[in-house]
Amino acid sequence: GENVEQHPSTLSVQEGDSAVIKCTYSDSASNYFPWYKQELGKGPQLIIDIRSNVGEKKDQRIAVTLNKTAKHFSLHITETQPEDSAVYFCAAERGGTSYGKLTFGQGTILTVHP
Amino acid sequence: NAGVTQTPKFRILKIGQSMTLQCTQDMNHNYMYWYRQDPGMGLKLIYYSVGAGITDKGEVPNGYNVSRSTTEDFPLRLELAAPSQTSVYFCASSYAGFEDSPLHFGNGTRLTVT
Repeated sequence: GENVEQHPSTLSVQEGDSAVIKCTYSDSASNYFPWYKQELGKGPQLIIDIRSNVGEKKDQRIAVTLNKTAKHFSLHITETQPEDSAVYFCAAERGGTSYGKLTFGQGTILTVHP
Repeated sequence: NAGVTQTPKFRILKIGQSMTLQCTQDMNHNYMYWYRQDPGMGLKLIYYSVGAGITDKGEVPNGYNVSRSTTEDFPLRLELAAPSQTSVYFCASSYAGFEDSPLHFGNGTRLTVT
């Protein structure tokens, strides 16, 4: 089955710096890669996603890049703010009959210091 | 629109007891899922349902049962609780159709088995 590895497990940055979180996946049939933000006591919330026919997607301060050949994808947060502090998860999905059956990475605890 | 609602928020069970985790959604989503999240780990899929009357196993189904009698509700049953089932449980829903929607998660149920 699919295996998703996520690094780093913790990331500490100063406000205004950029943060990058990286994930690798094992199943070349995976074609959907969402990123979730989880705040304390809450469920994961989708912040951005990318499909395999696209190499990069951007939404304001957040961007995701995908390298299908190398089977890795990354989350980039620019101009970080204290409210970006949370746990971030990457995930991968094969689509088709596997729709919604996500394989998650282990999570990255991001701390943004004011 | 309440989204995905899970009850209870917290529960402590003794070994061997049973309980049902409730999940309901008001978005008319056809797909529903149960994930568990262990400390320091990503979420793992327990069971999922593609519509009323249809359920299937995910990655870690042992010790759990589900039913889907209505579109809105997807309860998760724990029979003979074990310490290994101590976890945070998340229910999620999505719409699989012409334009697939991302997963919407509830806020979780924190379960401790002692």
